[in-house]
Amino acid sequence: KQEVTQIPAALSVPEGENLVLNCSFTDSAIYNLQWFRQDPGKGLTSLLLIQSSQREQTSGRLNASLDKSSGRSTLYIAASQPGDSATYLCAVKGIPGNTPLVFGKGTRLSVIA
Amino acid sequence: GAVVSQHPSWVICKSGTSVKIECRSLDFQATTMFWYRQFPKQSLMLMATSNEGSKATYEQGVEKDKFLINHASLTLSTLTVTSAHPEDSSFYICSASSSGGASYNEQFFGPGTRLTVL
Repeated sequence: KQEVTQIPAALSVPEGENLVLNCSFTDSAIYNLQWFRQDPGKGLTSLLLIQSSQREQTSGRLNASLDKSSGRSTLYIAASQPGDSATYLCAVKGIPGNTPLVFGKGTRLSVIA
Repeated sequence: GAVVSQHPSWVICKSGTSVKIECRSLDFQATTMFWYRQFPKQSLMLMATSNEGSKATYEQGVEKDKFLINHASLTLSTLTVTSAHPEDSSFYICSASSSGGASYNEQFFGPGTRLTVL
């Protein structure tokens, strides 16, 4: 059974810092991996989706990498801003592609102005 | 991206009553819908998977007679919490995916429904 782990559970950084969030998964046979953002009391916002054949995806200040063989993904946030404060969730979709996403517990990020 | 709506966004009910939550895919046909539950400061836990026209498949530990799921059309799935109790209070999030098109198998999430049972 797929298990997804996110480290650290919480992170507090000053504004402007670059930071890395880590995600690991136990079964490397994945269809894709996705990073989400969740604000308190709200739903999910999809940030980046990496297909199993891809190594990374970029969107603005965000860059996500995928090393399928080692079961790891990282989310890099450049020049962090207070508006980036939220919980970031990593989720993995297994094979076949219609299996459900399995989520990690998330990293709660606080960016201090 | 595709849009998924949920209704209601929040609901408060008395213990023992039933609550129905609707999940709609607004601009695509959802062959598969997933229902997740999220307790405070916890991650999303899958409750069940439903394919249009078929019975839902429930995860271990989820009571199928308590959480009734209907996926009668390609754009609508409902989750009914029967005889709700305070321990059922949670954030319920649906997700929908299609089996075709450019977003093949990508899951799109609804905004969630916060259920509080008094």
